[in-house]
Amino acid sequence: GAVVSQHPSRVICKSGTSVKIECRSLDFQATTMFWYRQFPKQSLMLMATSNEGSKATYEQGVEKDKFLINHASLTLSTLTVTSAHPEDSSFYICSAVQLGRDYGYTFGSGTRLTVV
Amino acid sequence: SQELEQSPQSLIVQEGKNLTINCTSSKTLYGLYWYKQKYGEGLIFLMMLQKGGEEKSHEKITAKLDEKKQQSSLHITASQPSHAGIYLCGADVTGTASKLTFGTGTRLQVTL
Repeated sequence: GAVVSQHPSRVICKSGTSVKIECRSLDFQATTMFWYRQFPKQSLMLMATSNEGSKATYEQGVEKDKFLINHASLTLSTLTVTSAHPEDSSFYICSAVQLGRDYGYTFGSGTRLTVV
Repeated sequence: SQELEQSPQSLIVQEGKNLTINCTSSKTLYGLYWYKQKYGEGLIFLMMLQKGGEEKSHEKITAKLDEKKQQSSLHITASQPSHAGIYLCGADVTGTASKLTFGTGTRLQVTL
């Protein structure tokens, strides 16, 4: 089956610093990857859609300068939280899509970001 | 307003009992996915439904899609503690097989 690896699983950073989260499709090529954010006891909120070789499409209300997304290859997308603040603390999950398969969208294991 | 509503929001059942979780969309469903999540972890794919009337089963979990009602149900038979977690439905409501919109989630607890 399709596997998506997300790193790191947990990260603690100081306010004002930047954090990079990686999302890799291990055994398939993902032309499209998605980044979600999840607050405690809430559902997943789509932040942006990342297409290989092009600029990411951000959902309404998501600051593109705050959440930088790069999809440099068919197996890797990165999310960089720039100048992080405590309100950016959250659970971030990526997803990669492989159309035509029964499992369509495969999710990473998530990254818990804590900004202190 | 939420495009995908799940009910109930939370559920506590005794081990061995059956249960049903519903996912209702305010828009046309072009594909419906069910996932399970342990708190603070990633999503585990359960099932994907694409055609109206489609029904799929895996072990003790059965999911159905009612295209006309824009609704899907997830049924667990003879629940076990291992079934505990958060169940999320995700749907393609754009018809472009691009992004998934997620439901509000159902938190399931199974008591002994």
